[in-house]
Parts: sequence; C-alpha cells; structure tokens
Amino acid sequence: ETGVTQSPTHLIKTRGQQVTLRCSSQSGHNTVSWYQQALGQGPQFIFQYYREEENGRGNFPPRFSGLQFPNYSSELNVNALELDDSALYLCASRNYTEAFFGQGTRLTVV
Amino acid sequence: QKEVEQNSGPLSVPEGAIASLNCTYSDRGSQSFFWYRQYSGKSPELIMFIYSNGDKEDGRFTAQLNKASQYVSLLIRDSQPSDSATYLCAVNSGGYQKVTFGTGTKLQVIP
Repeated sequence: ETGVTQSPTHLIKTRGQQVTLRCSSQSGHNTVSWYQQALGQGPQFIFQYYREEENGRGNFPPRFSGLQFPNYSSELNVNALELDDSALYLCASRNYTEAFFGQGTRLTVV
Repeated sequence: QKEVEQNSGPLSVPEGAIASLNCTYSDRGSQSFFWYRQYSGKSPELIMFIYSNGDKEDGRFTAQLNKASQYVSLLIRDSQPSDSATYLCAVNSGGYQKVTFGTGTKLQVIP
C-alpha cells in the first residue's frame, strides 16, 4: 500500500471526448508526476507538478493538461481523445528521493 | 540514444539462482536511481533506490551503481517464481527533476 490512489480504475471513452483522471498524494509529498504506459512499454513522462506549479513536461501535446490542488492531489485532463491515447495512466507521488505509484487508470478509447 | 536503456528480455533463471538486471543511462548528471517491479496489469512497485556509487543491499535485492560507467544493476539472490515480473529502471536527474524510465526487463524464474 503506497497511500496513493487513482480514480477511476478503468474507463472507456469515445474518440473526440474529454477525460479527467484523478490522483491523491502520499502524506508528506508535494510533487506529483503523471505517466502514460502503453502495453509492453515503460512509463512515458507526461508532466509533473510541484507545489501547484508545472515544473516539467514530456513530449505530449497541449491537449494533455493538469492541475495540482493545495492538498497536493492532482488531475490529468485529456481533450479530443485519440485511439492512441488508450493506455495505463499512472501518477506518482514524490518527494526528493522516492516516487510511489498509484494503481493506475486503464483508459480505453474506442 | 535513449535516456535509459534496458534489455527487454525475457531473462530466464532457475529458481534459487541469482538474477542480474542491467541498466545504462545517458545523462551523466543523473543523481538518483530506482528499481521498480511491475506485475502484468499492475502499477510499478518501488523495490530500491540508490544514489551513491557502490552496492546497496535490502534482503535478497542488491542495487549496484557505477556513475563513471553510467551503469546501474539489480541483483536478485535466491530467485523465486514470485519474482517473475518486469523490472523497470528509473533515473532522476536531481531534486525534483523528472524521473525517466527504461522500457523494462521481463524476468522469468523457472521452478
């Protein structure tokens, strides 16, 4: 048990729709990172929030956006969903030396 | 060149043997290094982190770091069938910089 929870655990959306994924943070962690993991691949870094500010972004288009709240929980929003967005979305609650993952959200775009 | 490279495997070892998993990274300024285990369909689980050259042991697991060679490895002693999973190497450039993952090595422990 990492203390990091994501919701929902599974989601099916239609191409063109929008989706919001949520992540709590572990007590004492003020940083949340989001990753996309396609089948058979390692997690790909989407972006990271530190104390409510985005402080890093990977090679993902602007339709991937996020928020971090004062309690350090976070949201990932994806607009105009594409079939290739189907993946496991992971959030990681971080401090300086360690990162713990939630259980992930499996997104299927049809 | 990929930022973090791992052999995708599968690496097959007999039960009770030592499994050796390797990882190289490109950013010479990287400061901390993580090993995660991921079972199929599940999220990654942190096994160990290391940031000093040398060995770090935790139970059956030993992480080894060589910053001069930009190389980090994970040894699993007395491998068990329950160790069969994909092992992800991850690298942090420092502080609150992003953590970059390799593609993972699939380990199969044969009973």
